[in-house]
Amino acid sequence: DAKTTQPNSMESNEEEPVHLPCNHSTISGTDYIHWYRQLPSQGPEYVIHGLTSNVNNRMASLAIAEDRKSSTLILHRATLRDAAVYYCILRALMKTSYDKVIFGPGTSLSVIP
Amino acid sequence: KAGVTQTPRYLIKTRGQQVTLSCSPISGHRSVSWYQQTPGQGLQFLFEYFSETQRNKGNFPGRFSGRQFSNSRSEMNVSTLELGDSALYLCASSQPPGTGTRELFFGEGSRLTVL
Repeated sequence: DAKTTQPNSMESNEEEPVHLPCNHSTISGTDYIHWYRQLPSQGPEYVIHGLTSNVNNRMASLAIAEDRKSSTLILHRATLRDAAVYYCILRALMKTSYDKVIFGPGTSLSVIP
Repeated sequence: KAGVTQTPRYLIKTRGQQVTLSCSPISGHRSVSWYQQTPGQGLQFLFEYFSETQRNKGNFPGRFSGRQFSNSRSEMNVSTLELGDSALYLCASSQPPGTGTRELFFGEGSRLTVL
């Protein structure tokens, strides 16, 4: 069951872009990279996922390194509502695989007005 | 469509008691996984159910158990409660392996306090 490492905390100014890094050096070829965030007093919320190519959705962008051993979640313009703990996890997608989802401590993002 | 529903949202128990928590997944999702979240240990995987069978289990003692019903709803049970079981218990639903990219959709959680 693969693990990820992230910085414990990061700070950003409001309306500035934020780049949240994640290392997953033991990623396997069938692992998808998933990002979630957890706002205070709420359950985690799905943000974005990817396999090899960079991905965009209405919430964020995901940039994946060519060797897939790291990825970066990009929030294009941080708002106060983006202050949360961000988790990067790996999900094995083999047809018969039920992976134990391993969450690290995540990155606590603070947004300064 | 409706999200993941967990009940109860808050509960207080005393040591030695047992507790049952319930989770209704998003309609169409057939896999349910459970997590314990504490300030000290963070988010930890408890177990995952699909088709009424436990498919994977985290490193928790046998006091932690679960089950899944034919309508995909799931329950988890903790027996002989200890003070250290105080935590936020989160349930997530997803599609099973081979049917998508397995995004997890979490409920709001059940906050258990053991006195």
